[in-house]
Amino acid sequence: EAQVTQNPRYLITVTGKKLTVTCSQNMNHEYMSWYRQDPGLGLRQIYYSMNVEVTDKGDVPEGYKVSRKEKRNFPLILESPSPNQTSLYFCASSLRQGFMNTEAFFGQGTRLTVV
Amino acid sequence: KQEVTQIPAALSVPEGENLVLNCSFTDSAIYNLQWFRQDPGKGLTSLLLIQSSQREQTSGRLNASLDKSSGRSTLYIAASQPGDSATYLCAVPISSGSARQLTFGSGTQLTVLP
Repeated sequence: EAQVTQNPRYLITVTGKKLTVTCSQNMNHEYMSWYRQDPGLGLRQIYYSMNVEVTDKGDVPEGYKVSRKEKRNFPLILESPSPNQTSLYFCASSLRQGFMNTEAFFGQGTRLTVV
Repeated sequence: KQEVTQIPAALSVPEGENLVLNCSFTDSAIYNLQWFRQDPGKGLTSLLLIQSSQREQTSGRLNASLDKSSGRSTLYIAASQPGDSATYLCAVPISSGSARQLTFGSGTQLTVLP
C-alpha cells in the first residue's frame, strides 16, 4: 500500500531533550516536507526537500533540523525542544515538483507535547 | 500572496442531505487544487485532486469542481452519512523562487447528524 509513515504517533518529552520524528514513504517520491498544525494558525511548512541531499527552510524552521540522505526517509530533528514546539506534525510527499502537478500524500501525524 | 479561504467554518446537517463546501483562492494562476479530509487529531487523507485544466473530479459520492477564473472550488457530498463527519481542507500549491509548499484553507468542520 502506498503510504507515508511517521513515527512515533504520540510523544511526550521534556524541554531540552533531543528527539527525532521519522518519516518514510514507499512511493519513490522526490519531494518531501514537514508541516506543523496549530489551532488558529492552520498548517505551516517547516522544511522541505526537493530530492536527496537537497533541503530548504519553509515558513517556520526555527528550532528544527532535517536531513535527506535517502530518497524514502526525511526525519525531523528537534535538537532542544521547547514548549512552543508542542504541536501536531505532518510529513508529506509528492512525486516531484513540490505538489505543482502531482498529488500530495500525508502521514498520520505525530502529536508532540513538550513539558 | 496566495490566500485560501473556506466558508463556512462549521456546518451541521442531517443524515442524507446533499451539501456543498466552498473554497476560494485569491490568485487564479494555480497548478491544481486538492481536497483533504482530516479526522480529529489525525492525518490528512487526500480526497480529490483537480488539475488546473480540469473543471471537475468525481470519486464515489464526492464531486469537486474548479473555476479558476472566479477563484473558487466546491466539494459536493451526496447523501451525507455520519461517517462523513470530519474537517475538510482545500489546498493549492505555491512556489516562490525555489520554495514549494501547499497553502491550506482553515477548513470546514462538518457534522452529519444521524
